[in-house]
Amino acid sequence: SQQGEEDPQALSIQEGENATMNCSYKTSINNLQWYRQNSGRGLVHLILIRSNEREKHSGRLRVTLDTSKKSSSLLITASRAADTASYFCAPPGGYNKLIFGAGTRLAVHP
Amino acid sequence: NAGVTQTPKFRVLKTGQSMTLLCAQDMNHEYMYWYRQDPGMGLRLIHYSVGEGTTAKGEVPDGYNVSRLKKQNFLLGLESAAPSQTSVYFCASSYPRTGGTEQYFGPGTRLTVT
Repeated sequence: SQQGEEDPQALSIQEGENATMNCSYKTSINNLQWYRQNSGRGLVHLILIRSNEREKHSGRLRVTLDTSKKSSSLLITASRAADTASYFCAPPGGYNKLIFGAGTRLAVHP
Repeated sequence: NAGVTQTPKFRVLKTGQSMTLLCAQDMNHEYMYWYRQDPGMGLRLIHYSVGEGTTAKGEVPDGYNVSRLKKQNFLLGLESAAPSQTSVYFCASSYPRTGGTEQYFGPGTRLTVT
């Protein structure tokens, strides 16, 4: 199936450090989305990058997309304790369906 | 705007009981989705709807039924609950857009089947 696969599964860093998460997918896409989930809560949309974009920024987030390698990365700069969450990439299915992987669990320590 | 709301927030069922989870959205979105999330895993799509009166199966539809009688509501039913359906259920909605668009998620319903 077309689910995104995140790497690493878990990441532990100190406040102020950068966090990089990677995503791979299997088939051609026209966009890819990233979501955050705080423990026990619903998912929150972070960013959507289209296939004709190589990089996109939103605040402290930077997302890249390499369609030739079928991969994407999410960089969070100057991380804060509040960034502690699970992060999911989601390539699309039809009808705006999203196919989620298991996510990357990020822990940011004060 | 309330966004996407889910009722109830928590529920405990005995094996074989039935229940209905309600999802409501006030954003006039065409598309709605039901997911389940098991511990340490991502979300898996159960059923979805692309408009009032239409529903379709997702990745894990067995044991669930859905209805979309009104555009703003999407109901998920469990006719005979099983322990394997213990999970957190999330509803989401979005509007149709070529090239993708974000989904808005509800806060989830935590269901335990004993």
